[in-house]
Amino acid sequence: DGGITQSPKYLFRKEGQNVTLSCEQNLNHDAMYWYRQDPGQGLRLIYYSQIVNDFQKGDIAEGYSVSREKKESFPLTVTSAQKNPTAFYLCASTFTGTHTGELFFGEGSRLTVL
Amino acid sequence: AQSVTQPDIHITVSEGASLELRCNYSYGATPYLFWYVQSPGQGLQLLLKYFSGDTLVQGIKGFEAEFKRSQSSFNLRKPSVHWSDAAEYFCAVGALTGGFKTIFGAGTRLFVKA
Repeated sequence: DGGITQSPKYLFRKEGQNVTLSCEQNLNHDAMYWYRQDPGQGLRLIYYSQIVNDFQKGDIAEGYSVSREKKESFPLTVTSAQKNPTAFYLCASTFTGTHTGELFFGEGSRLTVL
Repeated sequence: AQSVTQPDIHITVSEGASLELRCNYSYGATPYLFWYVQSPGQGLQLLLKYFSGDTLVQGIKGFEAEFKRSQSSFNLRKPSVHWSDAAEYFCAVGALTGGFKTIFGAGTRLFVKA
């Protein structure tokens, strides 16, 4: 079955450590996105990528980094520079050709900083 | 810049009663509008979307939404709520600005009482 797989589902980190969240899709989508979700704030866009080897900052990119070396993969690194990294992280993807914009989401990764 | 406002943080309705969730958006052109639903600890699922044409759109699970340009609104409705509809609902607007981006509202949590 086609879909988006995020791993790990739960992750604990000590302050000062970098962590990388995985996002893989087999939907043949061009565009991929990372959102952060905090209670009462909805989803905020961290980074997005429309094509391989290209990505753009979203609204809250500081303290995060991404890469897009393959169409199927869009990993997110939460660096030690991110001041409040505890959150629920969601990866999504869509086709760009039709511009219908429907996002397909993974099940999320919950990061807790101890 | 585009934005989405969901004025109700949470709503409680009785099972079998009708439901309306409010959404107002800000966007300079004709927007792409979406409603997504999220169960606790899960990713988001698309309920319905509007791009053009008939301003009353039908979605999955018996939901519908009406686009009103004059009011910049895209309210979600359901004539009879089921206990399984309890979840968080997000209104979103899509925009073609430096690639296709989707901006989400803060969400409305729906509680259903027996």
